[in-house]
Amino acid sequence: RKEVEQDPGPFNVPEGATVAFNCTYSNSASQSFFWYRQDCRKEPKLLMSVYSSGNEDGRFTAQLNRASQYISLLIRDSKLSDSATYLCVVNPGDKIIFGKGTRLHILP
Amino acid sequence: DAGITQSPRHKVTETGTPVTLRCHQTENHRYMYWYRQDPGHGLRLIHYSYGVKDTDKGEVSDGYSVSRSKTEDFLLTLESATSSQTSVYFCAISWGLAGEQETQYFGPGTRLLVL
Repeated sequence: RKEVEQDPGPFNVPEGATVAFNCTYSNSASQSFFWYRQDCRKEPKLLMSVYSSGNEDGRFTAQLNRASQYISLLIRDSKLSDSATYLCVVNPGDKIIFGKGTRLHILP
Repeated sequence: DAGITQSPRHKVTETGTPVTLRCHQTENHRYMYWYRQDPGHGLRLIHYSYGVKDTDKGEVSDGYSVSRSKTEDFLLTLESATSSQTSVYFCAISWGLAGEQETQYFGPGTRLLVL
């Protein structure tokens, strides 16, 4: 299994729909998890951290499943402005590892 | 937005020439990083620094060197640029390596084309 793996997409989703991404990681000792967002030709920016109990920020919900070693990101009521690449980030303890990202296109 | 700038923002150079990219921060963060981002590979760590004059290699450090003589500046040098080093280079900073401190903030990137 790769250290951090994401479905590259693209996910083409109509505006207003709910979309979910998963990200799997290989190191069971990983302690920190994040989702970053990267717009086309821009730098990555932190979207949200992922806590063990799951956490929500507006339309965005992040969850962690340690048993199956994956994290997820759920976007509800998607907006055109949500179109971007979403990067899964995992810290197994000694370094930060970025996934290759999942591209999301919100369709009008 | 975190105070991180990169210069130059775009550069075209020829194979075999030396190239230096600069990252400057105004946040006084201890850790600084250089990544490259290429289609199909995502972000890959080149080098990082954990303090003035303290640096270490990342996963793709061959052909690159770094220096950090001041907290605010982290330089990436391509000693003799090759076409395989054509990429987008991002600098990032963080307070630390654990908990909330490990959140990385990125600069706007430098697009380098080696002909």
